[in-house]
Amino acid sequence: EAQVTQNPRYLITVTGKKLTVTCSQNMNHEYMSWYRQDPGLGLRQIYYSMNVEVTDKGDVPEGYKVSRKEKRNFPLILESPSPNQTSLYFCASRIRGGETQYFGPGTRLLVL
Amino acid sequence: GQQVMQIPQYQHVQEGEDFTTYCNSSTTLSNIQWYKQRPGGHPVFLIQLVKSGEVKKQKRLTFQFGEAKKNSSLHITATQTTDVGTYFCAANYGGSQGNLIFGKGTKLSVKP
Repeated sequence: EAQVTQNPRYLITVTGKKLTVTCSQNMNHEYMSWYRQDPGLGLRQIYYSMNVEVTDKGDVPEGYKVSRKEKRNFPLILESPSPNQTSLYFCASRIRGGETQYFGPGTRLLVL
Repeated sequence: GQQVMQIPQYQHVQEGEDFTTYCNSSTTLSNIQWYKQRPGGHPVFLIQLVKSGEVKKQKRLTFQFGEAKKNSSLHITATQTTDVGTYFCAANYGGSQGNLIFGKGTKLSVKP
């Protein structure tokens, strides 16, 4: 089944403890993105990648890192999480030249 | 940074009534996408509009892209309870095909 998977789906952590949220797609898509969703603010793009080893900042990249070493994976790294990074995170992917962007199920993060 | 304004923020309708959400940008868009997110779910791609004045239909949903490519609308005819959710527009300004700016969404509730 074609899909975008994220792990973990739920995470509670403490300030300053490094964490990684994984994202994987099995559709051979070139484009992958990370978004955060907050009440009243909608979806905001954190980082995106147009292919392996090609990443770029979205609108809210501060406090986040990404890497794209393989086409299928696009992990989101929070080196030192803070409470203002408590949010719902979505990974998404699409094929180059394609219209449809497929979203993962989301990761709900709480930073205490 | 670029912003896209989406109105209204909320819309409550009686089943059978029509619904419209609007997105506006102060600058010309390369293209615009529309997504639907059900409560507790992830965004699901509905459509992409690219051409000036473009109109596309999906059953009871009609999508329009303005002549100046600065605004767009989604109209639902005769809403059903299955239409409940939040509808987002996502704008591409042409700089990078991977960079999308989302509107804050319109939350639709439908009374049976």
